Amino acid sequence: NAGVTQTPKFQVLKTGQSMTLQCAQDMNHEYMSWYRQDPGMGLRLIHYSVGAGITDQGEVPNGYNVSRSTTEDFPLRLLSAAPSQTSVYFCASRNTGDTGELFFGEGSRLTVL
Amino acid sequence: AQTVTQSQPEMSVQEAETVTLSCTYDTSESNYYLFWYKQPPSRQMILVIRQEAYKQQNATENRFSVNFQKAAKSFSLKISDSQLGDTAMYFCAFMKHQGGSEKLVFGKGTKLTVNP
Repeated sequence: NAGVTQTPKFQVLKTGQSMTLQCAQDMNHEYMSWYRQDPGMGLRLIHYSVGAGITDQGEVPNGYNVSRSTTEDFPLRLLSAAPSQTSVYFCASRNTGDTGELFFGEGSRLTVL
Repeated sequence: AQTVTQSQPEMSVQEAETVTLSCTYDTSESNYYLFWYKQPPSRQMILVIRQEAYKQQNATENRFSVNFQKAAKSFSLKISDSQLGDTAMYFCAFMKHQGGSEKLVFGKGTKLTVNP
């Protein structure tokens, strides 16, 4: 019963390095999204997708890229990491057109030194 | 843009007692969903309860219930018979009911501690 799977769970980067956070879901959900969680800020939407080949920006998209080549996968790329991107990242998915419940991955803690 | 406000950054309650977490939101929409999510120390986000704005009846899930006041744009969560396992961050969230691309907007959260 995998649901939403994120990897890695922990990562330390140096400023300027690049990396990709992987997200995969096995529920055939059309909608997928990435949030970042910072203390006192709640969860803020970075990017989202409503289907393969379709992506759009959320509230805090700068410094992040996404793509959606398949229904199952929605990777988040940091091209040149900055200390301000130190955060916990959550991938979440749901079916479009239903009651809106988001299913979350376990989160990825990223530290940029 | 919709905003969600949780005015209590931290709360505590004794085991077996009742606690209410507050949430207000700002929207001009008439049809939407409201949610409470729980995030225990394990970091996993768990849906606690969901309310559809067109339903006047307050949602209930076992020990968890909401007080939904649409005119006041208020959506509080009541936890009865609090248990140690209820210790967590609680996030209130809003979503417009307008097609498949609508986004979930979260409040900043309330940290609840249940004391033995």
